[in-house]
Amino acid sequence: DAGVIQSPRHEVTEMGQEVTLRCKPISGHDYLFWYRQTMMRGLELLIYFNNNVPIDDSGMPEDRFSAKMPNASFSTLKIQPSEPRDSAVYFCASSSTGSKVFFGPGTRLTVL
Amino acid sequence: AQRVTQPEKLLSVFKGAPVELKCNYSYSGSPELFWYVQYSRQRLQLLLRHISRESIKGFTADLNKGETSFHLKKPFAQEEDSAMYYCALKRAGANNLFFGTGTRLTVIP
Repeated sequence: DAGVIQSPRHEVTEMGQEVTLRCKPISGHDYLFWYRQTMMRGLELLIYFNNNVPIDDSGMPEDRFSAKMPNASFSTLKIQPSEPRDSAVYFCASSSTGSKVFFGPGTRLTVL
Repeated sequence: AQRVTQPEKLLSVFKGAPVELKCNYSYSGSPELFWYVQYSRQRLQLLLRHISRESIKGFTADLNKGETSFHLKKPFAQEEDSAMYYCALKRAGANNLFFGTGTRLTVIP
């Protein structure tokens, strides 16, 4: 099993552009999480899904951020329009009920 | 609401010295506590969880409910322990993790 897969691994874009981050969870896992990692704030939970349904999106910074999970094997996190302060590493993670959480390699986003 | 606090952003110790990474939490219920580690160029991974009461790579952590702490300890630090360490909390009945801001440990040869 390749574990949680994220793409792209690195993304450099200009302010105002739309950014889409992708995640493939581990097969069979029914929970999917999106985290953002910054030096100042550490790891922040943005949103998580259970069985493809968003459960808690209270961590999503603002309306510029949106996340979808159209099926059990795919999720996207979209930022539109992007701003320099969105620069961070974005992690996707998955788990099944009661199991430990497995993290993807992360996407390093730089917004110029 | 829950909160996880790691007071030290950076911690440096010499090889062979004891190391303690501090973690305090606030939560009114019965939490589950974890330590995650991120080695250079590797994924964030689970190091240990309090319910397992295990020692992983020489590290231990004891949940102290009176002090609401879950400090990570190792008696003799090794160079390969240099990494970013995150303390995390899971609320009772929930599946999402709340993380502290992390502590970067550097073990000096």
